[in-house]
Amino acid sequence: SQQGEEDPQALSIQEGENATMNCSYKTSINNLQWYRQNSGRGLVHLILIRSNEREKHSGRLRVTLDTSKKSSSLLITASRAADTASYFCATDQGGKLIFGQGTELSVKP
Amino acid sequence: GAVVSQHPSWVICKSGTSVKIECRSLDFQATTMFWYRQFPKQSLMLMATSNEGSKATYEQGVEKDKFLINHASLTLSTLTVTSAHPEDSSFYICSARDQDSGYNNEKLFFGSGTQLSVL
Repeated sequence: SQQGEEDPQALSIQEGENATMNCSYKTSINNLQWYRQNSGRGLVHLILIRSNEREKHSGRLRVTLDTSKKSSSLLITASRAADTASYFCATDQGGKLIFGQGTELSVKP
Repeated sequence: GAVVSQHPSWVICKSGTSVKIECRSLDFQATTMFWYRQFPKQSLMLMATSNEGSKATYEQGVEKDKFLINHASLTLSTLTVTSAHPEDSSFYICSARDQDSGYNNEKLFFGSGTQLSVL
């Protein structure tokens, strides 16, 4: 892949549970970003974490970054059916955003 | 936040014809826009970087004569799929940065995508 791997590829949980998605990358980065995509739509930016940050929060989202392991995780707490979507991590490589393979999250009511 | 408008949302065309997709930044200027391609249940693959007033930069393996990109103004980039064939059927998405938004200008704003089906 252009970027790296995300796991799991698919995740199915019940409403109210937490969802954790992981992302690994291959190159040095300035920042890592997470995006959400509803089926057949464009992507929406969720959160950006810089290489000198280890953890960041935004509402029900928590992102961690481990540059030594070249990995990041996205945690969605107290999930809702409306969180059902695909989630992608992306790294900035020379001004270009390169995306991971994505995790397809299904939250069942 | 900034809005990127992409048209059409979907298009069906006959093999051998050309299709033009437009990407507009509605409330900001974008000297650079990015074109991605996405197959079902797969990630986004960067095709090219569109530069206002100059030639686009294509990623390795992307045919520049097949996928013509024009970025004639600070708010409009177009992607033309020339002589389309069934294997060109895909979801095409454009994106741009709001470079005037200051510190947090690394994030991308995406259009809603264009589903191209070539018969």
